[in-house]
Amino acid sequence: GAVVSQHPSWVICKSGTSVKIECRSLDFQATTMFWYRQFPKQSLMLMATSNEGSKATYEQGVEKDKFLINHASLTLSTLTVTSAHPEDSSFYICSAHYRTGGRGNQPQHFGDGTRLSIL
Amino acid sequence: RKEVEQDPGPFNVPEGATVAFNCTYSNSASQSFFWYRQDCRKEPKLLMSVYSSGNEDGRFTAQLNRASQYISLLIRDSKLSDSATYLCVVTLSTDSWGKLQFGAGTQVVVTP
Repeated sequence: GAVVSQHPSWVICKSGTSVKIECRSLDFQATTMFWYRQFPKQSLMLMATSNEGSKATYEQGVEKDKFLINHASLTLSTLTVTSAHPEDSSFYICSAHYRTGGRGNQPQHFGDGTRLSIL
Repeated sequence: RKEVEQDPGPFNVPEGATVAFNCTYSNSASQSFFWYRQDCRKEPKLLMSVYSSGNEDGRFTAQLNRASQYISLLIRDSKLSDSATYLCVVTLSTDSWGKLQFGAGTQVVVTP
């Protein structure tokens, strides 16, 4: 079953609206979560690394005042797209590290993604 | 130059056939390698990790060539359900806390 839950899965809203996306780790604590964005036919691009109890680390070119990240607890990180515009329309995906064993080569598990459409 | 490059395809494969494709990475310090599968409008799902010695998981075989800096994925006896985009993922760290770098994906279409 899913280990990372993301909500909502689809958002359509008017330009200028702020949109909040939630990412929850289920049955495990995630001190670090990652937020990605994917445009059609392009690769996932890391936007920021969300750290519980501290400020997020943003990738170069990502506006921190535009994309607000809050990692308030060990199981919840939120991404708020402030004053969204049509160019912000994209597929937003979160992920969390889920340690499945003692090996170092462990994957991240992804949320279902949120498809954001700004009119 | 992109960190991770893939042939976008599509690779049109008859059901039951074998298909293989590669992914190249630019950073020789890359440590961990994965293949993810992404269905249309869905989140990526881990297909398999790629180990230095190569590894197999059922009909899927992954290989790593560090000298030439590429990894490959081979799918045998293709099923219709194998139709998807396959994402090559590379990280600099041996711990998945490290950032994942994604290729743009290779589309595979299995036809009846």
